[in-house]
Amino acid sequence: DGGITQSPKYLFRKEGQNVTLSCEQNLNHDAMYWYRQDPGQGLRLIYYSQIVNDFQKGDIAEGYSVSREKKESFPLTVTSAQKNPTAFYLCASTVQGMRTGELFFGEGSRLTVL
Amino acid sequence: AQKITQTQPGMFVQEKEAVTLDCTYDTSDPSYGLFWYKQPSSGEMIFLIYQGSYDQQNATEGRYSLNFQKARKSANLVISASQLGDSAMYFCAMRGNSGGSNYKLTFGKGTLLTVNP
Repeated sequence: DGGITQSPKYLFRKEGQNVTLSCEQNLNHDAMYWYRQDPGQGLRLIYYSQIVNDFQKGDIAEGYSVSREKKESFPLTVTSAQKNPTAFYLCASTVQGMRTGELFFGEGSRLTVL
Repeated sequence: AQKITQTQPGMFVQEKEAVTLDCTYDTSDPSYGLFWYKQPSSGEMIFLIYQGSYDQQNATEGRYSLNFQKARKSANLVISASQLGDSAMYFCAMRGNSGGSNYKLTFGKGTLLTVNP
């Protein structure tokens, strides 16, 4: 079945360590996104990519990095520069040019920094 | 800049009754889209319904309908005949259709709906 796979689902790390969250999609979607969700908050955009080898900062990009070397993959690295990395991270994708353009989401990765 | 406001942190409804979840928005884009998503406790985001700013009719999808009032900049979600499985967090979101806002969704803070038996 087509979909978006995020891994790992749960991740614990020590403060000061870089962490990479995986996001893979087999929907043949052009655009991919990373959102962060904190308790009681909505989703905030970290980075997005509309084509391979190109990506743009979202509203809260500081302390994060991404790459888009393949259409199917959009990994997110949470660096030690991110001051409060404990959160729920959601990856999404969409087909550009579609009338509705709704985002399709993965199941999320919950990162806890100890 | 785009902004979504959901003023109800939590809502309660009796099973089989209808419920309205409020959403207001602000944007300078002449063309935009409005979305509602459901997030169960498991965490995945489920797309429910879409309304385009130039759509002539309010959107409906099964038990979900969107009460779109453009002049008031509101896009309320109506769930009819609530079921226990409707208990979840609900997010309103919008996407502008011009320039740098294209393809990016801006989300509200959500409303936690609890359906009582």
